Amino acid sequence: QVQLQESGPGLVKPSETLSLTCTVSGGSISSYYWSWIRQPPGKGLEWIGYIYYSGSTTYNPSLKNRVTMSVDTSKNQFSLNLSSVTAADTAVYYCARVPPSVAPGPDALEIWGQGTMVTVSS
Amino acid sequence: DIQMTQSPSTLSASVGDRVTITCRASQNINRWLAWYQQKPGKAPNLLIYEASSLQSGVPSRFSGSGSGTEFTLTISSLQPDDFATYYCQQYNSSPWTFGQGTKVEIK
Repeated sequence: QVQLQESGPGLVKPSETLSLTCTVSGGSISSYYWSWIRQPPGKGLEWIGYIYYSGSTTYNPSLKNRVTMSVDTSKNQFSLNLSSVTAADTAVYYCARVPPSVAPGPDALEIWGQGTMVTVSS
Repeated sequence: DIQMTQSPSTLSASVGDRVTITCRASQNINRWLAWYQQKPGKAPNLLIYEASSLQSGVPSRFSGSGSGTEFTLTISSLQPDDFATYYCQQYNSSPWTFGQGTKVEIK
């Protein structure tokens, strides 16, 4: 079955760039949307954005100026970069698969990775 | 942004109870609503998509209904494995937004 695994540094310094990769196994990255979501400790879920396998992106405007997503179909991976991080970016970061819906566009967050904790601290 | 408001925030119930959680959207989201279950230290798990479609592998005691701005998640007979936090999420328009969560606790 399809599995997603996040990877990247668990500690990032303030003002630096947080970089995470999600590796997709058991299925192809093609024909799907791929999303990032985060959850600060003890709090709710915040959607960061998604990328289509073709490379088109949609980002949360609250993070738009700091977020970049990319996809590498040859490696079955997609990535998140979040620049100029502060302590407010400390969270568990999840990647997720999003199937296309019957209407044009993405459907719900169907399959999630286990999440990776990223702490922003000097 | 579309605001999603869940009620109640906490729910105390017993095994076998019928449980209903409500999610209200600040504007019309048609049927583009999902429900997720999250247990401590785990990723959320998709239960319901498009307001009422049961995700494959999810027990049939879970059901969803609604359209427009008001939606419900119902657990017909609460099981021990169902004690968790539940989130609704709209994907009608960007940015996608989540409700604040409903924690289902043992009474």
